[in-house]
Amino acid sequence: GENVEQHPSTLSVQEGDSAVIKCTYSDSASNYFPWYKQELGKRPQLIIDIRSNVGEKKDQRIAVTLNKTAKHFSLHITETQPEDSAVYFCAASSFSNYQLIWGAGTKLIIKP
Amino acid sequence: SQTIHQWPATLVQPVGSPLSLECTVEGTSNPNLYWYRQAAGRGLQLLFYSVGIGQISSEVPQNLSASRPQDRQFILSSKKLLLSDSGFYLCAWSPPGLYHEQYFGPGTRLTVT
Repeated sequence: GENVEQHPSTLSVQEGDSAVIKCTYSDSASNYFPWYKQELGKRPQLIIDIRSNVGEKKDQRIAVTLNKTAKHFSLHITETQPEDSAVYFCAASSFSNYQLIWGAGTKLIIKP
Repeated sequence: SQTIHQWPATLVQPVGSPLSLECTVEGTSNPNLYWYRQAAGRGLQLLFYSVGIGQISSEVPQNLSASRPQDRQFILSSKKLLLSDSGFYLCAWSPPGLYHEQYFGPGTRLTVT
């Protein structure tokens, strides 16, 4: 079945610097790749997603890139701010599979 | 717009007691519905999902069960709670269609004592 690996498990960056989180997936039929942000004690929230017919998508300071050949996708956060501190999860799904297959999560720490 | 409700927000139950958590979605029809559990500091474990009334798929064998008595209602139950059932329970919905973006409810924090 599908497997999603996420790296790193913890990422510490200086405020104002960029952060990059990477995920790889195994099922070539996967066509949808969302990213979720979960603040401590709160629900995961969808922050950006990308579909398999697109290579890159950007929304203000966050962007996601997808390399279908290599089966990996990445989240990029520029000009990091303290409120970016959270756990970020990547996921993947295919049309025939109603589930999201989740990465293990990355704890992003923004140092002042 | 769509809204997802979960209750209760917090629950403390003794070992061996029953459990019933409820989730409802407003503003959409025929959603896919999901129950997840998240242990402290851990990732998301899918417990059950449903693509329609009365259709339940179980991902992890355990002492929990799920039911979908109405289109937009999803219930998680247990007859006898175990200590290991403690965690943050999240309900989510996704629209029917090609892509399965999920939107989460506020969650129920369950402590089994």
